[in-house]
Amino acid sequence: DVKVTQSSRYLVKRTGEKVFLECVQDMDHENMFWYRQDPGLGLRLIYFSYDVKMKEKGDIPEGYSVSREKKERFSLILESASTNQTSMYLCASSLWRLMNTEAFFGQGTRLTVV
Amino acid sequence: AQSVTQLDSQVPVFEEAPVELRCNYSSSVSVYLFWYVQYPNQGLQLLLKYLSGSTLVKGINGFEAEFNKSQTSFHLRKPSVHISDTAEYFCATFSNTGNQFYFGTGTSLTVIP
Repeated sequence: DVKVTQSSRYLVKRTGEKVFLECVQDMDHENMFWYRQDPGLGLRLIYFSYDVKMKEKGDIPEGYSVSREKKERFSLILESASTNQTSMYLCASSLWRLMNTEAFFGQGTRLTVV
Repeated sequence: AQSVTQLDSQVPVFEEAPVELRCNYSSSVSVYLFWYVQYPNQGLQLLLKYLSGSTLVKGINGFEAEFNKSQTSFHLRKPSVHISDTAEYFCATFSNTGNQFYFGTGTSLTVIP
């Protein structure tokens, strides 16, 4: 069974802290994505990666960075957490091959910055 | 740029009634379309997808969707809903040039007993 695992379901951090959100997939997928989900705004892409050490900015990369040192792991980093980064964060992965593509999602991390 | 528009943010419907959740897409290249469901405090789960072939796509849990190229639509339908269908539904498209997915803003389906 395919699986995308996010390290935490719920996280509370203080303003200014450096925050790491981890995501691991066991499907040997090339693509991995980080989304932010807010009410009324749907899913907005923060960053994605199509290969180890490769990354591309999405629609809202400001205040975030990412790391992909191994194919199965994609980390989202909040360099200095702020209250407006309180949100649900979703990780996803997919194959590179177009005709069989779909995104597989983790359970999400609900981050609260106080 | 590719995008999808979900026309209804909230859809209330009585149990056992039919439902249609609307999605329109914009694209100048090949179209790949998806519907995902999200139950409370969970990630997204694929309901169905259209990559090519038959324009009527059947998915899990009795849902189906029809790809309509002339109307640039991919509406999701179910002939008879259950309480357990209460969830958030997202329409999405995939860009084969940008190698990324684009999601709509979601439709909250509430099934009323």
